[in-house]
Amino acid sequence: QQPVQSPQAVILREGEDAVINCSSSKALYSVHWYRQKHGEAPVFLMILLKGGEQKGHEKISASFNEKKQQSSLYLTASQLSYSGTYFCGTEGGSQGNLIFGKGTKLSVKP
Amino acid sequence: SQTIHQWPATLVQPVGSPLSLECTVEGTSNPNLYWYRQAAGRGLQLLFYSVGIGQISSEVPQNLSASRPQDRQFILSSKKLLLSDSGFYLCAWSVLRGRGQPQHFGDGTRLSIL
Repeated sequence: QQPVQSPQAVILREGEDAVINCSSSKALYSVHWYRQKHGEAPVFLMILLKGGEQKGHEKISASFNEKKQQSSLYLTASQLSYSGTYFCGTEGGSQGNLIFGKGTKLSVKP
Repeated sequence: SQTIHQWPATLVQPVGSPLSLECTVEGTSNPNLYWYRQAAGRGLQLLFYSVGIGQISSEVPQNLSASRPQDRQFILSSKKLLLSDSGFYLCAWSVLRGRGQPQHFGDGTRLSIL
């Protein structure tokens, strides 16, 4: 089952904050976050493992609530370089395969 | 360090023609390998994955096939392309150590079918 991402799109001014949510109907072992800029390949941001840990990457952090089967990506003090489409990939099986959400398009304006 | 190469970067093919896309990984051994397709403005759909030479699993029935003739080589093929095969094809690898491993993507092949 494909995870559901919300919102589908968000427009920010430089310096504003945003939260992107990823929700699954299945029990999860891990949640992965990727950013894809237009015409490019997705780039790995971070992975959150079962255990509810929170991780950070520059001014981007994420949390994972395994009981609720949800993860959230937090972007603080957004920069122009944060623009792109953010995908969550959920892992529940034994093979390490990911099921990706449809993505959240983030546009940061000056 | 590990690198992943995909080629070609762009491909325009007529309907009914064959296809061969190649992906190679350097700097690691026994990786998990993946082929994804991304339709315009859409998410990533897993097509095939491989945990070893000659071991291919297909996620969706389709007009495509995959092969892994060497440890770090993954090939996506078709005998006869359909219009619906257009898209952005991405190869990815992860460490072969079970769950919780990040996947790293190649630069992709943009395939247009005419």
